[in-house]
Amino acid sequence: EAGVTQSPTHLIKTRGQQATLRCSPISGHTSVYWYQQALGLGLQFLLWYDEGEERNRGNFPPRFSGRQFPNYSSELNVNALELEDSALYLCASRSGTYSLYGYTFGSGTRLTVV
Amino acid sequence: RKEVEQDPGPFNVPEGATVAFNCTYSNSASQSFFWYRQDCRKEPKLLMSVYSSGNEDGRFTAQLNRASQYISLLIRDSKLSDSATYLCVVMTDSSYKLIFGSGTRLLVRP
Repeated sequence: EAGVTQSPTHLIKTRGQQATLRCSPISGHTSVYWYQQALGLGLQFLLWYDEGEERNRGNFPPRFSGRQFPNYSSELNVNALELEDSALYLCASRSGTYSLYGYTFGSGTRLTVV
Repeated sequence: RKEVEQDPGPFNVPEGATVAFNCTYSNSASQSFFWYRQDCRKEPKLLMSVYSSGNEDGRFTAQLNRASQYISLLIRDSKLSDSATYLCVVMTDSSYKLIFGSGTRLLVRP
């Protein structure tokens, strides 16, 4: 079974540009979560998508947005990039049923803003 | 106050040592609890869920005290390969959103 896949692995952008990050969940998983992990910091919850809808978002400005497609893959968009957006962006997926087993992360996209 | 608090460490221990990590959480309505492991510059991976009765998986034992809002992880007979950051994780609300502690770093030396 393929795991959660994210692309690209690395992304370098200049300040003010837009970045698009992609995530494909485990087959059969309908929920996708996005997290940001800045260097030396913990994982911060960004967004939750389920069944194509945004269900919850963390304490991030509106320039962080995304969507979920009918096949449950997801895209995270970061507009007007700032230097402090440099971080590892992690996507995770979970099956629709309540689980005691946490969820599975992809290997992340490392975004560098210069 | 952070929702999930951990001692950042690092814990520097010799191979074969027993080491314990502690974690506290602030929301008494928290529903599920986990320990994740994160290697340097990699994604977090689920180490084990934590059940109210406590649970063990090989050399790893997790305990939960709901009254004190306290979670622990015990690692026995430490291996070099146990060197990593250990993340205490809590699931609180109906969104199944995981709240991560900032992690405790473990270094196991030969």
